[in-house]
Amino acid sequence: SQTIHQWPATLVQPVGSPLSLECTVEGTSNPNLYWYRQAAGRGLQLLFYSVGIGQISSEVPQNLSASRPQDRQFILSSKKLLLSDSGFYLCAAPIGLASEQYFGPGTRLTVT
Amino acid sequence: SQKIEQNSEALNIQEGKTATLTCNYTNYSPAYLQWYRQDPGRGPVFLLLIRENEKEKRKERLKVTFDTTLKQSLFHITASQPADSATYLCALGGSASKIIFGSGTRLSIRP
Repeated sequence: SQTIHQWPATLVQPVGSPLSLECTVEGTSNPNLYWYRQAAGRGLQLLFYSVGIGQISSEVPQNLSASRPQDRQFILSSKKLLLSDSGFYLCAAPIGLASEQYFGPGTRLTVT
Repeated sequence: SQKIEQNSEALNIQEGKTATLTCNYTNYSPAYLQWYRQDPGRGPVFLLLIRENEKEKRKERLKVTFDTTLKQSLFHITASQPADSATYLCALGGSASKIIFGSGTRLSIRP
């Protein structure tokens, strides 16, 4: 069965510092991968999605970037964090051949 | 641009009643619509998917309808229980790979 790992689980970073969040997927090959952000009390905002290694589609222009160096690895990065980058970051992948999203445990990021 | 609206930010109902949540969308022709449940501090969990050529889908106490003319989906929980209290999100998907989520409705079931 498919499992999504995310780390770290929580992170507190000062404004202007860099960021690297990692997502890895087990139990499937060549999945579509997604990064979402959820601000406090808000819905999910799609940030990036990837249909394969090195293929990244950006949904929202911002100071974040994503990379997919390996089939089952998806990384979210920033060179300089803003206060508005605080939120709950979720990595997701479709379940099997279906289109239902399976979510990882998330990373709670607080920018101070 | 594509827009998804879930009609109310919060909904409070009495245990045993039917909860009805609404999802409306514009500027989009989705191939399917999904509903998810999200508990505090957790990622969403998939509940139901309904395709554009389906009018209704049921799963236990859950029922989803999909009206592509009205561009609306209704999500019903019958015989609601306090354990059903959570935030419910609708999501749209199409031929492209991306899936877009609504902002969610926070449902509270009081005993």
